[in-house]
Amino acid sequence: DAGVIQSPRHEVTEMGQEVTLRCKPISGHNSLFWYRQTMMRGLELLIYFNNNVPIDDSGMPEDRFSAKMPNASFSTLKIQPSEPRDSAVYFCASTLGTGYGYTFGSGTRLTVV
Amino acid sequence: AQTVTQSQPEMSVQEAETVTLSCTYDTSESDYYLFWYKQPPSRQMILVIRQEAYKQQNATENRFSVNFQKAAKSFSLKISDSQLGDAAMYFCAYRRGYNTDKLIFGTGTRLQVFP
Repeated sequence: DAGVIQSPRHEVTEMGQEVTLRCKPISGHNSLFWYRQTMMRGLELLIYFNNNVPIDDSGMPEDRFSAKMPNASFSTLKIQPSEPRDSAVYFCASTLGTGYGYTFGSGTRLTVV
Repeated sequence: AQTVTQSQPEMSVQEAETVTLSCTYDTSESDYYLFWYKQPPSRQMILVIRQEAYKQQNATENRFSVNFQKAAKSFSLKISDSQLGDAAMYFCAYRRGYNTDKLIFGTGTRLQVFP
């Protein structure tokens, strides 16, 4: 298996622009998580899905952030409009479920200038 | 709310020596899982070891082992025969045991390995 695939690996954008991050979970994994990593706040959960349904989005910073999982093999995290404070590494992870480990993608490093 | 605390921001060890990274957590749940993840400079998050709270036996994966003290809510990671490739950030994480739930991470410990 190719693991959890995230794209792009790096993204540099100007403040105010829309940014879309993409994730393909491991086939058969029914739960998907979006995390953000910064020096100040560490690893924080933004949102997670079970069977394509959002379960907990309490970590989504504000209305500028939105996430979708239209099917079991694809998810997006969108930021519109982007701000410099959104600069971070965004990770996607998936798991088979209770009792299993979580597999992380390589992350997307987002820089908003 | 559940919390995970890693009190050692940085640790260092000599190659071939043993080092222990500390982790404590706070929860009122009886069923949960604990994890250690390694993040090398490549930033990839790699699962090192996993422990089920209902298992008394400490988990072991090759040179990596844990000391799980449920009553004390402590979950330390021991790395034996340290190698240069072990240099990385190490994160302790907690997850409730029912359904599929989020991982709650500690702040991490940066491990340096000296030749």
